[in-house]
Amino acid sequence: QTVVTQEPSFSVSPGGTVTLTCGLSSGSVSSTHYPSWYQHTAGQAPRTLMYTTNSRSSGVPERFSGSILGNKAALTITGAQADDESDYYCVLYMGGGIWVFGGGTKLTVL
Amino acid sequence: VQLVESGGGVVQPGGSLRLSCAASGFNFNSFGVDWVRQAPGKGLEWLAFFGTDRTYDYYADSAKGRLTISRDNSKNTVYLQMNSLRVEDTAVYYCVAGKDHAFIHWGQGTLVTVSS
Repeated sequence: QTVVTQEPSFSVSPGGTVTLTCGLSSGSVSSTHYPSWYQHTAGQAPRTLMYTTNSRSSGVPERFSGSILGNKAALTITGAQADDESDYYCVLYMGGGIWVFGGGTKLTVL
Repeated sequence: VQLVESGGGVVQPGGSLRLSCAASGFNFNSFGVDWVRQAPGKGLEWLAFFGTDRTYDYYADSAKGRLTISRDNSKNTVYLQMNSLRVEDTAVYYCVAGKDHAFIHWGQGTLVTVSS
């Protein structure tokens, strides 16, 4: 069974840039996996950030961007702010109607 | 835009529960619908999808045979019937409306606790 991999945790300084990645235990991520990214703070509904690799969801600041870097999908946050501290999840389409989330990355801004 | 889940609660192992999710503020009929859950201390897990035209549904392996997703477009509502519940099904369950290969609108979630 294919596993979607994410860094368990990451740290960035305020104003800094961080790139979170989303890979596969076997194979490469491509646009045909329609990678998307979600920000989730405990007790709240997840917030859609990016979809189909690099489309920004309505209301999401331009400092969030998505891409394919090498064999992984990537979410880059430029000019990190304190309220970016959250959990970030990617999800990949595996075909046949099936989606698989990564384990999530806990981002700390300090 | 709102998605409001209901129906969560405490149920004994082996029991059943039906979750509902009422949508408003957008054209519900043009969106596919999914259920996603988060167990305590765990990440998000996709469970099931139901298409716009009610002709197809898909399930994660963990959901097959026990969970059934359905929708009633006349009521702008999506359902998740959960049978043979296990302790490991304890989670917050989110309904999601999506299109163009993206999960667009999320509900606030409803807590299901499976415990004796």
